[in-house]
Amino acid sequence: GESVGLHLPTLSVQEGDNSIINCAYSNSASDYFIWYKQESGKGPQFIIDIRSNMDKRQGQRVTVLLNKTVKHLSLQIAATQPGDSAVYFCAEKPSIYNQGGKLIFGQGTELSVKP
Amino acid sequence: DAGVIQSPRHEVTEMGQEVTLRCKLISGHNSLFWYRQTMMRGLELLIYFNNNVPIDDSGMPEDRFSAKMPNASFSTLKIQPSEPRDSAVYFCASSSQGHNEKLFFGSGTQLSVL
Repeated sequence: GESVGLHLPTLSVQEGDNSIINCAYSNSASDYFIWYKQESGKGPQFIIDIRSNMDKRQGQRVTVLLNKTVKHLSLQIAATQPGDSAVYFCAEKPSIYNQGGKLIFGQGTELSVKP
Repeated sequence: DAGVIQSPRHEVTEMGQEVTLRCKLISGHNSLFWYRQTMMRGLELLIYFNNNVPIDDSGMPEDRFSAKMPNASFSTLKIQPSEPRDSAVYFCASSSQGHNEKLFFGSGTQLSVL
């Protein structure tokens, strides 16, 4: 039969506005979280990470917030630019995977920035 | 420094043919991961190696898939025989000792099996 592609959640923002991308993770035992950006035709690119002993971490124009109570992760992008348009993935690492960095990826959110 | 290098960038083949995807790790990295990306299933981990040793191959779909690390800097993912449902983008990623959660991805191989 005909296959149906997965429709990614989409966030559309105006250039210069702040963006907030949300992610619900599945495993309460995960101890490490990471956000990747994937542009069309390219591999995922690291943005920012956070360990479970923190609830906030800031980078250049980006902030990651972690709420372990409700298993929620968010990525905030300040002053969003057209170059930020991409698909954003969150990923978690369950603590049992101590050897190697086995990451479990979310489905992704497509960010579209309007000039 | 060069990032993770994958080849070929695109591969079009016919059902039943053997396909070999190649990956060169970032110099100094010792962990290697093969992921597959499709619209239906997103990014799926197929297999990963630590210091050339396969650690977890539970994501490998079936016996048609095999992966090797003949040396510390290079890996291959082979599909034999290939099927149309194998069509996807295959990514290789590497990470370094002590920072082994942060993966660095290659540009991927777009595989189309007709």
